[in-house]
Amino acid sequence: DQQVKQNSPSLSVQEGRISILNCDYTNSMFDYFLWYKKYPAEGPTFLISISSIKDKNEDGRFTVFLNKSAKHLSLHIVPSQPGDSAVYFCAASDEYGNKLVFGAGTILRVKS
Amino acid sequence: NAGVTQTPKFQVLKTGQSMTLQCAQDMNHEYMSWYRQDPGMGLRLIHYSVGAGITDQGEVPNGYNVSRSTTEDFPLRLLSAAPSQTSVYFCASRQSPNYGYTFGSGTRLTVV
Repeated sequence: DQQVKQNSPSLSVQEGRISILNCDYTNSMFDYFLWYKKYPAEGPTFLISISSIKDKNEDGRFTVFLNKSAKHLSLHIVPSQPGDSAVYFCAASDEYGNKLVFGAGTILRVKS
Repeated sequence: NAGVTQTPKFQVLKTGQSMTLQCAQDMNHEYMSWYRQDPGMGLRLIHYSVGAGITDQGEVPNGYNVSRSTTEDFPLRLLSAAPSQTSVYFCASRQSPNYGYTFGSGTRLTVV
């Protein structure tokens, strides 16, 4: 039973436009949410995180939104750049953060 | 500053063989974890450690052993390799709760 779901296997966006990646979770005990980016043949790279006490966190071009009542979070990338083309993983954990549960990932392609 | 170093990068094993995947970090991080990534499934936690001498199981621990004798090193041992253990293995470390994990570049393991 997948506790973290990324229902869109892939997303294609034009350079300069907004990319929106979505993630749903089922476990109400999750307290901390993260997004990772992964290029081929590399390890995942931490992008941005949000605690359950917040509904928005922003870092440069990246913003994560959390809707606890809907058990849904999203990552917005504005403006999208070709270098953003990668696999994006959503992850969640309890308050201790030792056991990250990952979604299956979304492949983002930014076209120039 | 090397970050998280994993060796080897590639390995082919025969069924029943044993081996150790090495992981070392030079950031003095207390928390370390091992994940495996399989197609369409995201990353799944195998084992984790919250400090030297302390380890615990993750979501898919069967067939794997770990130990943490030093802060820097967190080796993963495959006791008797099986084709189901064919995967990409990632080691990760972090400074403290609420910090994102830093991942190594991975070990691609094939069991034939």
